[in-house]
Amino acid sequence: AQSVTQLGSHVSVSEGALVLLRCNYSSSVPPYLFWYVQYPNQGLQLLLKYTSAATLVKGINGFEAEFKKSETSFHLTKPSAHMSDAAEYFCAVSDWSGANNLFFGTGTRLTVIP
Amino acid sequence: EAGVAQSPRYKIIEKRQSVAFWCNPISGHATLYWYQQILGQGPKLLIQFQNNGVVDDSQLPKDRFSAERLKGVDSTLKIQPAKLEDSAVYLCASSLTASGSTGELFFGEGSRLTVL
Repeated sequence: AQSVTQLGSHVSVSEGALVLLRCNYSSSVPPYLFWYVQYPNQGLQLLLKYTSAATLVKGINGFEAEFKKSETSFHLTKPSAHMSDAAEYFCAVSDWSGANNLFFGTGTRLTVIP
Repeated sequence: EAGVAQSPRYKIIEKRQSVAFWCNPISGHATLYWYQQILGQGPKLLIQFQNNGVVDDSQLPKDRFSAERLKGVDSTLKIQPAKLEDSAVYLCASSLTASGSTGELFFGEGSRLTVL
């Protein structure tokens, strides 16, 4: 069975500071891993995905994540936070079964302080 | 390209009443999903369709929830009778294909249900 754990339901950073959102996964098979962002009253939008190619994945809006098998982690980072990054971020895991079902974490709400 | 369309955006009902949500996926997307997102939690899959067939409905409370995707295009999710714990945002998503598990799901804006 697949699952993800997001540490920290709320994260606050100052504008221009490093953003680090943590995600650890559990999977019995090699996983696909994803980060989605949800702005208020909007649907989820894919930020980036890991599908067994390069372990460092670059996404939209300057975000990136690194797959670390030894740590079962897929943390999301951005070097410099912008006010527009304030949103809720969800880590998700899928397997290779072809069903394409995503298992989401509980989310991390990012606040950017001016 | 038009995104995933959902309606209504908001619905308030009393417990034991019924409600229906509609979803129109991106044109050409074979796979359609309904997720339930309770406040403070991540989305949870309710049902997945591949064209007009059900792939996974193991998490759908079948005593009160039903969903259909006639003709393999748009879909309706119904709750009857509603309970207080059904208050949530119901998200519809679609993807081009279920094979390969690339995870490229495209989500609608959701339908927010409040049960009083």
